[in-house]
Amino acid sequence: QKEVEQNSGPLSVPEGAIASLNCTYSDRGSQSFFWYRQYSGKSPELIMFIYSNGDKEDGRFTAQLNKASQYVSLLIRDSQPSDSATYLCAAPSGGYNKLIFGAGTRLAVHP
Amino acid sequence: DGGITQSPKYLFRKEGQNVTLSCEQNLNHDAMYWYRQDPGQGLRLIYYSQIVNDFQKGDIAEGYSVSREKKESFPLTVTSAQKNPTAFYLCASSANRQETQYFGPGTRLLVL
Repeated sequence: QKEVEQNSGPLSVPEGAIASLNCTYSDRGSQSFFWYRQYSGKSPELIMFIYSNGDKEDGRFTAQLNKASQYVSLLIRDSQPSDSATYLCAAPSGGYNKLIFGAGTRLAVHP
Repeated sequence: DGGITQSPKYLFRKEGQNVTLSCEQNLNHDAMYWYRQDPGQGLRLIYYSQIVNDFQKGDIAEGYSVSREKKESFPLTVTSAQKNPTAFYLCASSANRQETQYFGPGTRLLVL
């Protein structure tokens, strides 16, 4: 059974700090990973995807992938209260374009 | 505007009733998916479809049915056999051979 694991949180950080969200996965064959943000009562929206080992930066967001450790993370710099949401990690599930999602980490950024 | 639409936003089901959730996309995506999300939990795959007139069961297909008669449309029926249907239902789509999925706004199903 392929799995994607996330700490449910809540992760509480002060405004302006770096928020670090982590995700581990069980399938060593996974090649790509996705981070979605989900505000309360809303649907998930794609933030970033990463295919290669190392870092990928997009604005205040940095995704980090370590395939040897089966670990992917999302860093949010200069966190804002508007970043408060649940962040879902996803990885391919072995079928055609299928993804398996983690349960999500709830982030709370306080002023 | 390109995107995925779901209707209705809220749906109420009576005991023993079948209800159908609509999902339409104008992104020209080949693949479409239905997920269920329960409070505080991740997304669980109900059904998915790679092409028109073909669909596959996901992890929790019991009590649900789908059809894919048009590329743009992938309706989900919650049957009376689904004993615990209260949840947030999300439809998604992806382009051919692309893993990135994009989501509609969701339908919240409640039982009366």
